[in-house]
Amino acid sequence: GAVVSQHPSRVICKSGTSVKIECRSLDFQATTMFWYRQFPKQSLMLMATSNEGSKATYEQGVEKDKFLINHASLTLSTLTVTSAHPEDSSFYICSATGLASADTQYFGPGTRLTVL
Amino acid sequence: AQKITQTQPGMFVQEKEAVTLDCTYDTSDQSYGLFWYKQPSSGEMIFLIYQGSYDEQNATEGRYSLNFQKARKSANLVISASQLGDSAMYFCAMREGPGNTGKLIFGQGTTLQVKP
Repeated sequence: GAVVSQHPSRVICKSGTSVKIECRSLDFQATTMFWYRQFPKQSLMLMATSNEGSKATYEQGVEKDKFLINHASLTLSTLTVTSAHPEDSSFYICSATGLASADTQYFGPGTRLTVL
Repeated sequence: AQKITQTQPGMFVQEKEAVTLDCTYDTSDQSYGLFWYKQPSSGEMIFLIYQGSYDEQNATEGRYSLNFQKARKSANLVISASQLGDSAMYFCAMREGPGNTGKLIFGQGTTLQVKP
């Protein structure tokens, strides 16, 4: 299957700093990427959908100025958590889909963010 | 209203036995896709199986099969010959509409524990 990577896998930062998470499709062109957030033992919550070269579409209740998403190329999307606070601590997972990936979204391994 | 419902928060199964994980969905679309993902403790989301709404046959992938009952709006996952490595959280998800760029809506998840 298609491979999606995320970097970093874990990050610990101080409150008030910004953190950038990268999501890459390694062997296919990702026309659409999705960003999810997951709290412990809960389901995935979609934050936003990004299409290459256009602005991301955010789900209701997600602050677009706090969670900046950029999808500048067909293989890379980034999520920047600006001015992070402890309540932003969570597991962030991206997924990608493209013309060649049939009907399936392929997920990255996730990034565990801890804000102190 | 919940679009994807997984009513079993936790399940136990004896090694080498089969287990069924329940999933019901709600949609008014004629074209949609149903997915099952496995999430081990490491956090990665592993794609298991896909069923399109127009597919007449139940999907199968190795030890995984999807029992698709369209009239009942159910898409249960059957794992045959359970292995210890099958212990994980399992999510059912639905994509509404045709194509592969639609967002996924996830169920609450079912934690499966395989006993030796």
